[in-house]
Amino acid sequence: QQQVKQSPQSLIVQKGGISIINCAYENTAFDYFPWYQQFPGKGPALLIAIRPDVSEKKEGRFTISFNKSAKQFSLHIMDSQPGDSATYFCAASLSISSGSARQLTFGSGTQLTVLP
Amino acid sequence: EAGVTQFPSHSVIEKGQTVTLRCDPISGHDNLYWYRRVMGKEIKFLLHFVKESKQDESGMPNNRFLAERTGGTYSTLKVQPAELEDSGVYFCASSQDDRPYGYTFGSGTRLTVV
Repeated sequence: QQQVKQSPQSLIVQKGGISIINCAYENTAFDYFPWYQQFPGKGPALLIAIRPDVSEKKEGRFTISFNKSAKQFSLHIMDSQPGDSATYFCAASLSISSGSARQLTFGSGTQLTVLP
Repeated sequence: EAGVTQFPSHSVIEKGQTVTLRCDPISGHDNLYWYRRVMGKEIKFLLHFVKESKQDESGMPNNRFLAERTGGTYSTLKVQPAELEDSGVYFCASSQDDRPYGYTFGSGTRLTVV
């Protein structure tokens, strides 16, 4: 059973466009929602993260929108650039009181291609 | 600061053989994690070390997988005997504290079992 569902599987946008990747989760005990960016041949790298007590977090061209009632969160990449072409993973982790706080539950990834 | 180092970067072995993957965490990071991504699916947690102790190995798929972290430094993940479904990319990550915020991932080992 996949606890974090990510869509789309692949995404192609034009340079300057907005890239939107969506994730939905099932476990309401999740309390930390990071997004990771992975380039070919590299490991995932933390891009931006949010906690459920805020609805939006912005860092440069990257924004996380969080909807706690719908159990959904999304990554928006504004003014997408060819250098943003990578695989993006959403993830979630449990609250520290659960005893399993240290592991991340990942989505299946989105391959983003930004055309020049 | 050196990052998390994994080797080999690629390994191709035959079904039934043994393979050992190695991870060198960032110096001083007590927490070390193994994850695996199989064929375009999600990255799945395998296990977590705190120093040399296994804190959580709930993600280990079966007893063909053995992870060790002798002396609390580098870690090895042995697969014996390897099966076709073990193919995938194995990632190691380390962090200084015990929360996922400070994870640093290695570049992974791509394992192909033929």
